[in-house]
Amino acid sequence: DAKTTQPTSMDCAEGRAANLPCNHSTISGNEYVYWYRQIHSQGPQYIIHGLKNNETNEMASLIITEDRKSSTLILPHATLRDTAVYYCIVRRGGGADGLTFGKGTHLIIQP
Amino acid sequence: NAGVTQTPKFRVLKTGQSMTLLCAQDMNHEYMYWYRQDPGMGLRLIHYSVGEGTTAKGEVPDGYNVSRLKKQNFLLGLESAAPSQTSVYFCASTVGGGTEAFFGQGTRLTVV
Repeated sequence: DAKTTQPTSMDCAEGRAANLPCNHSTISGNEYVYWYRQIHSQGPQYIIHGLKNNETNEMASLIITEDRKSSTLILPHATLRDTAVYYCIVRRGGGADGLTFGKGTHLIIQP
Repeated sequence: NAGVTQTPKFRVLKTGQSMTLLCAQDMNHEYMYWYRQDPGMGLRLIHYSVGEGTTAKGEVPDGYNVSRLKKQNFLLGLESAAPSQTSVYFCASTVGGGTEAFFGQGTRLTVV
């Protein structure tokens, strides 16, 4: 699976959009971008994933650049409950061998 | 619908003792996983299973064994616990490869 690079930490004001970047310059054509988050040592929670098109669900939007070498997770209206560690993971579709977690980005939502 | 349930939630072991962690899922998922998470780190895969009766090694399998005798349960065993196995253990399950993973709430294990 391709390696990802994320900032160690970020701040965002409550009510504003939180934009979390991720670089994955070695991504292969059959690899997807996944985002998970972990709130205060709870089990990780799935957020969203995509291959090359932008994706949106009730939690977030995922913007993938045209060359697929980077992506941005957008939380449109951040709340204090969105404070968490966010993991960007690249893995091939259909693979059974689990997820490779880096250290992620610690997002802190400020009141 | 409970999702993924881990038992126990906390445990303290003495070096050399053995124990089994239980993961149960009620979503009829085929794939199940055991991860460990050390302070300040991301999760690392210990073992996984792609179906009843099957298991495979992950990134950090040494010192652990697993069994998947029933589709809904995935057991993680420590035969002789060591302080280096002090960690938080997470179980996860998925419908199939590459799909959304559902995680349990974790088991905090301390080996003294």
